[in-house]
Amino acid sequence: KQEVTQIPAALSVPEGENLVLNCSFTDSAIYNLQWFRQDPGKGLTSLLLIQSSQREQTSGRLNASLDKSSGRSTLYIAASQPGDSATYLCAVWTTSGTYKYIFGTGTRLKVLA
Amino acid sequence: GAGVSQSPRYKVAKRGQDVALRCDPISGHVSLFWYQQALGQGPEFLTYFQNEAQLDKSGLPSDRFFAERPEGSVSTLKIQRTQQEDSAVYLCASSLLSLAGSYEQYFGPGTRLTVT
Repeated sequence: KQEVTQIPAALSVPEGENLVLNCSFTDSAIYNLQWFRQDPGKGLTSLLLIQSSQREQTSGRLNASLDKSSGRSTLYIAASQPGDSATYLCAVWTTSGTYKYIFGTGTRLKVLA
Repeated sequence: GAGVSQSPRYKVAKRGQDVALRCDPISGHVSLFWYQQALGQGPEFLTYFQNEAQLDKSGLPSDRFFAERPEGSVSTLKIQRTQQEDSAVYLCASSLLSLAGSYEQYFGPGTRLTVT
């Protein structure tokens, strides 16, 4: 059974700092991995989608890497800003024949001005 | 264009009441997903539709939960005889197609259900 873990559960950093959020998954047989952002009381916003054949994706100050063999992904946020404060969730889509994402429990990020 | 919309945004139900939650996916999106998110947790899959066909309902927690998408667009998640443990945010997502999840899922704002 696929399990997704995110570390740390919470993180507080000063503005301008570069930071790394970690996601690990137990079953390396995945089709893709997606990083989402969730603001309080809101739905999820897709940040980056990495297909299993890719090693990384970049969008602006965000860079996500995928190491499928070791079951790990990282989300790198450069020059963090207070507006980056949110919960970040990673989700994996496995090849087990089901039609669903398995989500981690998220990392709550707070960027201090 | 418009994103995924859900209604109501908030619902308070007394234990034992039936509720219906609506999802309007992005126009043209074939795939529609329902997730349940408890406080402080990541979303958990409930069910998946491809057009009007419900291809996976393995995540529905009990037979009190029922979902439909009769015309392949709007979907309704119905919970009968609500219990306190049903209190959660119910998220709907849609995507163009879901061949092994190759397409991004777009999420609605969710419906926060509180059962008293």
